[in-house]
Amino acid sequence: GAVVSQHPSRVICKSGTSVKIECRSLDFQATTMFWYRQFPKQSLMLMATSNEGSKATYEQGVEKDKFLINHASLTLSTLTVTSAHPEDSSFYICSARDVRGRAITNYGYTFGSGTRLTVV
Amino acid sequence: AQTVTQSQPEMSVQEAETVTLSCTYDTSESDYYLFWYKQPPSRQMILVIRQEAYKQQNATENRFSVNFQKAAKSFSLKISDSQLGDAAMYFCAYVYSGAGSYQLTFGKGTKLSVIP
Repeated sequence: GAVVSQHPSRVICKSGTSVKIECRSLDFQATTMFWYRQFPKQSLMLMATSNEGSKATYEQGVEKDKFLINHASLTLSTLTVTSAHPEDSSFYICSARDVRGRAITNYGYTFGSGTRLTVV
Repeated sequence: AQTVTQSQPEMSVQEAETVTLSCTYDTSESDYYLFWYKQPPSRQMILVIRQEAYKQQNATENRFSVNFQKAAKSFSLKISDSQLGDAAMYFCAYVYSGAGSYQLTFGKGTKLSVIP
């Protein structure tokens, strides 16, 4: 089935540094990538939506200069947290939508395994 | 805007018993998909079951079934013969199936505990 590989699974970084999170679709073409943030015991909060070759669309309240998203190919999307601060510590999850959409059993959504970011 | 409401923050069930998780949603669209996702402690999102709004028949996947009431905008999940591995957060989600951004709208989740 469709697989999205998300790396790293855990990362600890110092305040002020940047961290890059990668999501790769291994056996399908990800037309659209959704990036979520999840706080403990809460639901997934959509941060941004990116389509291959286009600029990402950010949700209200999400700083586009802090959370840089690149979706340069149909198999790779990256989220870079720039100048990270402790309040950016969270769990980040990507979700890819297959170009075929409805052809996939789950309507084309495949989730990465998530990245736990801790900023110290 | 679409909203998804899960009114039960926490639920518990005895092993081998049946439990029902509630979900209601609000939309003005007629064509959409509804999902139940499971998020165990590993935090990997796992699709449990999917329902197409145009289908009257309730979806079933082994021990998991839904009660889809389109007019009432209700989409509950029934777990039969509960197992310890069913303990997790469960999220109800909605997506409009027409052209658009295809963004999933999630409920706040229900934490399910299974008592041995």
